[in-house]
Amino acid sequence: GAVVSQHPSWVICKSGTSVKIECRSLDFQATTMFWYRQFPKQSLMLMATSNEGSKATYEQGVEKDKFLINHASLTLSTLTVTSAHPEDSSFYICSANWGRARDADTQYFGPGTRLTVL
Amino acid sequence: GESVGLHLPTLSVQEGDNSIINCAYSNSASDYFIWYKQESGKGPQFIIDIRSNMDKRQGQRVTVLLNKTVKHLSLQIAATQPGDSAVYFCAENRAGGSYIPTFGRGTSLIVHP
Repeated sequence: GAVVSQHPSWVICKSGTSVKIECRSLDFQATTMFWYRQFPKQSLMLMATSNEGSKATYEQGVEKDKFLINHASLTLSTLTVTSAHPEDSSFYICSANWGRARDADTQYFGPGTRLTVL
Repeated sequence: GESVGLHLPTLSVQEGDNSIINCAYSNSASDYFIWYKQESGKGPQFIIDIRSNMDKRQGQRVTVLLNKTVKHLSLQIAATQPGDSAVYFCAENRAGGSYIPTFGRGTSLIVHP
């Protein structure tokens, strides 16, 4: 089956620094990638939708200048958390749609990245 | 607004029992619903889906029921196994266009051997 990877799987950084998280579709081309954030014991909250070669579409309440998304190719999207603060500590999960996906079984989730900001 | 972001309810069952996990969705215009399983420290895994023109769909050991009248979705797991222990999320799709799931409130399933 299709595989989506994330790197790093976990990261610890100091407050005020920036952190980049990569999301890769390993064996398929993803026209659309999504970024979610999940706090402990809570649901996944969609942050933004990213299409290759265009600007990301951010959900209401998500600061685009703080969470920079770049979708440079059909297999790679990056999320950069700029000037990270302890409240940004969370589990960040990406997903990728295969083709013009209209079904859940053609959307594949990455394993997530645990970010801890000290 | 969506009914997300709350602390997770928990369902504890004995191995071999049947489990029923419930979910209330918020958007009456949603036409596609999905159940995901999320194990600790991992991303969600697709289990089963159902479209709004159906009220029941069966998979291997799992059945999803949809009641559009009361905007209720349930996941039934037959002969629950310890490996089924995880958090289960329902998700609804925004009507029209590509698949962009909105995740609902999760339920933590604990299966006791």
